[in-house]
Amino acid sequence: QSALTQPASVSGSPGQSITISCTGTSSDVGGYNYVSWYQQHPGKAPKLMIYEVSNRPSGVSNRFSGSKSGNTASLTISGLQAEDEADYYCSSYTSSSTWVFGGGTKLTVL
Amino acid sequence: EVQLVESGGGLVQPGRSLRLSCAASGFTFDDYAMHWVRQAPGKGLEWVSGISWNSGSIGYADSVKGRFTISRDNAKNSLYLQMNSLRAEDMALYYCAKGVRWELSSELDYWGQGTLVTVSS
Repeated sequence: QSALTQPASVSGSPGQSITISCTGTSSDVGGYNYVSWYQQHPGKAPKLMIYEVSNRPSGVSNRFSGSKSGNTASLTISGLQAEDEADYYCSSYTSSSTWVFGGGTKLTVL
Repeated sequence: EVQLVESGGGLVQPGRSLRLSCAASGFTFDDYAMHWVRQAPGKGLEWVSGISWNSGSIGYADSVKGRFTISRDNAKNSLYLQMNSLRAEDMALYYCAKGVRWELSSELDYWGQGTLVTVSS
């Protein structure tokens, strides 16, 4: 159950777009469409932003989108806003009937 | 409104046990899978365990397998985590989270505020 690989940090200016990658294996990301993304602000509980690779829960801005190619999933945030500054985690269901998270990516809005 | 309220955390010595509870409201509890996720201070998220709607499917992270037991009482709208043989590395904020579907392979759409477990002598 190795953690999924995410960049430690990404940054962008307001209005720009950024993409966070999440790399796993054929036993998790590549094998299932159960990939999700969570946003966590300091001191707060995580919030689901994307589920089943590319679906947005009700209430989540359409500036957030998800995709997957092979063993790598991606979260794209367009039209960056100051409130998007947070930690982002990907997660995937695995062939062991477990879930695994990525190490997290700190997004800084410059 | 979905609400998940964890309780049972606290200070415990290494090797001892603790039982966490999660009281759920605002949704039909027995229609959804439930999960426990933890976060050590200053660290990332770690999935701990999950259970399907009818307890038919249960999963554990390798780091807790054989020491932790997840269970649910659908009549009481409650989720539990029995933690035995606690280690220093189990110290974390433990979140209860609701699945988006009834099955174990369901993402976590609502989270509680967490209960803190401190393992120290």
